[in-house]
Amino acid sequence: QKEVEQNSGPLSVPEGAIASLNCTYSDRGSQSFFWYRQYSGKSPELIMSIYSNGDKEDGRFTAQLNKASQYVSLLIRDSQPSDSATYLCAVNNNAGNMLTFGGGTRLMVKP
Amino acid sequence: DAGITQSPRYKITETGRQVTLMCHQTWSHSYMFWYRQDLGHGLRLIYYSAAADITDKGEVPDGYVVSRSKTENFPLTLESATRSQTSVYFCASSDGTFYEQYFGPGTRLTVT
Repeated sequence: QKEVEQNSGPLSVPEGAIASLNCTYSDRGSQSFFWYRQYSGKSPELIMSIYSNGDKEDGRFTAQLNKASQYVSLLIRDSQPSDSATYLCAVNNNAGNMLTFGGGTRLMVKP
Repeated sequence: DAGITQSPRYKITETGRQVTLMCHQTWSHSYMFWYRQDLGHGLRLIYYSAAADITDKGEVPDGYVVSRSKTENFPLTLESATRSQTSVYFCASSDGTFYEQYFGPGTRLTVT
């Protein structure tokens, strides 16, 4: 069974700190990786996509991918209370257009 | 640009009734998906569609029916609702190029 694993948290960080969210996946054939942010009572919102090994930066967000170790991470710099949400990792293995989602990590940024 | 919309946003129904949840997207995306999200289970795929008139089962299809006669619409029907189908339902779409999926606002369904 293809799995995507995340620590459910909550991960608590002080305002201004770096939040580090991790995700591991079991299918070595996975090619496309995504991070979604979901506020309580809202729908998932795509915030980052990464397709090749290394880092991809977008504003305060950096996605890191290591296919050899089968993990993908999301770093949030200068964390703000508005970043408090659940972050979902999703993986596609190119065998169809489907995504497998992790259970999500709840992030709490304290002022 | 409306994007992807779902209706109704909230629905309360009784056990045994038929319920249809609507999903509409204005992007002309070829792929559309239905998920349910429950505490402790995360997002689970119910059904998906690669194009009009092409649908396939996901992880948890039992008790649900879908159709897709037009590219922009992908309704989900619960033929005989059960309490276990109380959940939040999300529709998503993708253009199929980079596998990114974009979600609608969700429908919170309660079956009493």
